[in-house]
Amino acid sequence: EIVLTQSPVTLSLSPGERATLSCRASQSIRSYLAWYQQKPGQAPRLLIYDASNRATGIPARFSGSGSGTDFTLTISSLEPEDFAVYYCQQRQNWPLTFGGGTKVEI
Amino acid sequence: QVQLQESGPGLVKPSETLSLTCTVSGGSISGYYWSWIRQPAGKGLEWIGRIYTSGDTKYNPSLESRVIMSVDTSKSQFSLRLNSVTAADTSVYYCARAPPGVACTSTSCIGYFDYWGQGALVTVSS
Repeated sequence: EIVLTQSPVTLSLSPGERATLSCRASQSIRSYLAWYQQKPGQAPRLLIYDASNRATGIPARFSGSGSGTDFTLTISSLEPEDFAVYYCQQRQNWPLTFGGGTKVEI
Repeated sequence: QVQLQESGPGLVKPSETLSLTCTVSGGSISGYYWSWIRQPAGKGLEWIGRIYTSGDTKYNPSLESRVIMSVDTSKSQFSLRLNSVTAADTSVYYCARAPPGVACTSTSCIGYFDYWGQGALVTVSS
């Protein structure tokens, strides 16, 4: 099973600041990684797929990068609605796995 | 707009079977991978398994011995059965759609989860 380790667990920032979230895979997953945003009481929402492609309707302030084992989600300037939990997920191997999440808080 | 809706009992007794159904509306059920994903309160996401509209299934090895998924394309529904449940199975259960990926990996062509249900809380308790 591919383990995804996200860091930091919690990121405390202010609106307008830049957020940098990390996801590290236990083995190479090429570019087969997605990022999701989850707000309390809601289902996750797909933000980025295949490491660097924004999903439909996702604002340009969200960007993804990386390949192999190290990946980054960047939010260039935090809006109030961006404070949430973010998960990475790989599709390289079965079983599909998620990271433990990073909470971006004010 | 594609919508997914989970339905089923919210309370299941220990050792019994958890059964959930996901109804898909606003789009075709054909040609996609359909998954169940769960999330215990305050914790992360665990993928349970997926079914393709052909009926082909793939399960998480951690749950494989207790899981059965099925699909009924005529009703635009797919279902989850998880037997011999314990308190550890108490979670919010999500159904989700994944289209085929832009490229296939060495093991699969499944893409990512682009539509999700709102989630169904299932509590295992006597």
